[in-house]
Amino acid sequence: ETGVTQTPRHLVMGMTNKKSLKCEQHLGHNAMYWYKQSAKKPLELMFVYNFKEQTENNSVPSRFSPECPNSSHLFLHLHTLQPEDSALYLCASSQDQTGRGNTIYFGEGSWLTVV
Amino acid sequence: RKEVEQDPGPFNVPEGATVAFNCTYSNSASQSFFWYRQDCRKEPKLLMSVYSSGNEDGRFTAQLNRASQYISLLIRDSKLSDSATYLCVVNNGQNFVFGPGTRLSVLP
Repeated sequence: ETGVTQTPRHLVMGMTNKKSLKCEQHLGHNAMYWYKQSAKKPLELMFVYNFKEQTENNSVPSRFSPECPNSSHLFLHLHTLQPEDSALYLCASSQDQTGRGNTIYFGEGSWLTVV
Repeated sequence: RKEVEQDPGPFNVPEGATVAFNCTYSNSASQSFFWYRQDCRKEPKLLMSVYSSGNEDGRFTAQLNRASQYISLLIRDSKLSDSATYLCVVNNGQNFVFGPGTRLSVLP
């Protein structure tokens, strides 16, 4: 059981499609994150939102577009992706981005395959 | 140099063995420290926070050395179910920074 829910869990899309990944957290947190994890590789931070403001964009290509309408929801809009974008996309949340005693919690991830 | 470094392994140990992982961090402003566990094709999950005085949770012991800027995780009496990748995580006051992970395989 997780306080961070991601949908869909699996997504197959063509390179010309537009799709979105959704994340919802039920923990009352103020910071939300998108990470990418390619096969057998470390986590890569993509975006951070702290109190609904984007605070990190880790040089992510513009074909990935995040949206944070409120502190509980985070979206990742996808368009004209490449096959190398196929990966596990993980959403996470924490009380806020900084500060002592924070812990970060992950959703189960969305497996994306670009064909 | 990466901000959080770990030996990638793999560590292959027999059941019942004791195994230790180390992690080093470069940002002296780091405030909070954690070990996460990630199973194959799953999300990372918090294993334990790491406190300055050291802390233990069953077979797992975590230690922090602020002077040398390293964190350790000791697993005693390894079980097959301990096989996973162990991620060292540091909050540097601005962000959570993840190490690349150390892979552990416990063999029967």
